[in-house]
Amino acid sequence: QKEVEQNSGPLSVPEGAIASLNCTYSDRVSQSFFWYRQYSGKSPELIMSIYSNGDKEDGRFTAQLNKASQYVSLLIRDSQPSDSATYLCAPRNFQKLVFGTGTRLLVSP
Amino acid sequence: DGGITQSPKYLFRKEGQNVTLSCEQNLNHDAMYWYRQDPGQGLRLIYYSQIVNDFQKGDIAEGYSVSREKKESFPLTVTSAQKNPTAFYLCASRDRGTGVNYGYTFGSGTRLTVV
Repeated sequence: QKEVEQNSGPLSVPEGAIASLNCTYSDRVSQSFFWYRQYSGKSPELIMSIYSNGDKEDGRFTAQLNKASQYVSLLIRDSQPSDSATYLCAPRNFQKLVFGTGTRLLVSP
Repeated sequence: DGGITQSPKYLFRKEGQNVTLSCEQNLNHDAMYWYRQDPGQGLRLIYYSQIVNDFQKGDIAEGYSVSREKKESFPLTVTSAQKNPTAFYLCASRDRGTGVNYGYTFGSGTRLTVV
């Protein structure tokens, strides 16, 4: 079993819709979780972090964490074409982040 | 402005040659990391360093070496023992003094191609 599992996609949504990105992880000791956005050929940029069960909202982004189910998700409301990118889930495992393979999101105008 | 500088942006290497990728940060971060990314794949950890003069192997350290003589610098050498070095290499850093909620800051990456 991989440490971090993400559907590689692509996930295609129309402009203005809600995009839902999911991630499961295997390490029960992971304390905090990060979502990164990566445009093609560029480095990842941090968009959300979450460490408590429940929801955390930041603008159009909402991260959801369920530690019992070892599941973390990212919702993007009012999706824009500029949101088209690969989204990487990264749980913290002690002193390092472990990255999933990412989900490619395509937002069509 | 504070940040992480990786150089060069593009690097070509002949088979059998060693090559060193540079990573410099002026964020005063203690921890630094090297990741490798292949097309369609996530980031895989090569080496990381929590403090000066100390570093640990990541998941794919074979064929790579690092040094951490200064807090600001964490160069990565890709040796001839690395069988398939063509990839996108990313350097990152984090302040150990911050809480667990803080992620990494990434450099802009070096794309290495073996010719």
